Amino acid sequence: QQQVKQSPQSLIVQKGGISIINCAYENTAFDYFPWYQQFPGKGPALLIAIRPDVSEKKEGRFTISFNKSAKQFSLHIMDSQPGDSATYFCAASKEAAGNKLTFGGGTRVLVKP
Amino acid sequence: ETGVTQTPRHLVMGMTNKKSLKCEQHLGHNAMYWYKQSAKKPLELMFVYNFKEQTENNSVPSRFSPECPNSSHLFLHLHTLQPEDSALYLCASSPGTTSTGELFFGEGSRLTVL
Repeated sequence: QQQVKQSPQSLIVQKGGISIINCAYENTAFDYFPWYQQFPGKGPALLIAIRPDVSEKKEGRFTISFNKSAKQFSLHIMDSQPGDSATYFCAASKEAAGNKLTFGGGTRVLVKP
Repeated sequence: ETGVTQTPRHLVMGMTNKKSLKCEQHLGHNAMYWYKQSAKKPLELMFVYNFKEQTENNSVPSRFSPECPNSSHLFLHLHTLQPEDSALYLCASSPGTTSTGELFFGEGSRLTVL
């Protein structure tokens, strides 16, 4: 049973556009929601994370929006750049279970110049 | 060396071979993890070690045998694998497992089972 569902599987956006990736979770005990970025040949790296006490978190061009009642969260990449072309993974975990992340299936983003 | 280092980066093995993957972290962390990344599937947590003790085995087949001799090193011993075990195996570390936080991943070991 996949506990974190991510969409779309792939996304093509023009340079300067907005990339939006959505995730939905089932376990209401989740209380930590990170996004990881993975370039080809590299391991995933933490991009930005949010906890459910806030509805939005922004770091530079990257914003997480969180909707606790809908059990959904999304990543917005503003002013997308070719260097943002990568695979993005949402994830979730619960404090009580320690640092065990459940990942979404990933979204491959291609930013065209 | 900095961060999390995995060797070998690529490995091809037959179904009857025995091989090992190695992970070393230079971050002073106490927790280490093995994840499996297969095509078209989410990253799957396999094992968790905290202060050298295994704290999680996510129903992984016994043909995968982890070893954590100290907090800086983690191995994954492989034997009699199946072709469906072909995947990217990622090692990660974190300061501990008592709270949620950032995982630091290595670049992975790409395994092909013939």
